[in-house]
Amino acid sequence: DQQVKQNSPSLSVQEGRISILNCDYTNSMFDYFLWYKKYPAEGPTFLISISSIKDKNEDGRFTVFLNKSAKHLSLHIVPSQPGDSAVYFCAAHSQGGSEKLVFGKGTKLTVNP
Amino acid sequence: DTAVSQTPKYLVTQMGNDKSIKCEQNLGHDTMYWYKQDSKKFLKIMFSYNNKELIINETVPNRFSPKSPDKAHLNLHINSLELGDSAVYFCASSQLTSGDTQYFGPGTRLTVL
Repeated sequence: DQQVKQNSPSLSVQEGRISILNCDYTNSMFDYFLWYKKYPAEGPTFLISISSIKDKNEDGRFTVFLNKSAKHLSLHIVPSQPGDSAVYFCAAHSQGGSEKLVFGKGTKLTVNP
Repeated sequence: DTAVSQTPKYLVTQMGNDKSIKCEQNLGHDTMYWYKQDSKKFLKIMFSYNNKELIINETVPNRFSPKSPDKAHLNLHINSLELGDSAVYFCASSQLTSGDTQYFGPGTRLTVL
């Protein structure tokens, strides 16, 4: 039972354009969400997070949007750079307990020069 | 300085063998985790320890035994290895047990022949 879904296994964009990665979740108890970036042969690295009390969080070129009613979040990267090419994982967590981090399957982003 | 390190990076072994993977974090975190990324690319939690105590055990076969000699180390011992154990195993750590960013090691690719 996939509680966190990333329905696009891959995404290709041109350098300088916007990359939009999407994530849907089913568990209404999730109220903290994270995006991780993973290069080949490396571990996932934390990118940005958002709590359910917000609908937007921005950090430089990266912005995460949360739509709680739709149980949907998205990561926007603008402008996209070739170094952004990686697999992006969406993860969700229930705060206040010892609940685990639940990951999506990842979306492979390729930014073409 | 590597924050979360794992050894070995690659491990190739025969079915039925016993092997260990070591993990160390120098972030001063209280909580450590083991994740498994299988062939379908899902990252799933296996165990978590907080201050050397087991807090999450995700229905993992008892052939897998985590050991935490101190809060900076969480090793994973696997007995009687099976073909299905082939995967990439990631160690992670965080300061809190919930609602906190987890920092991942580089992963150990285990291949069981």
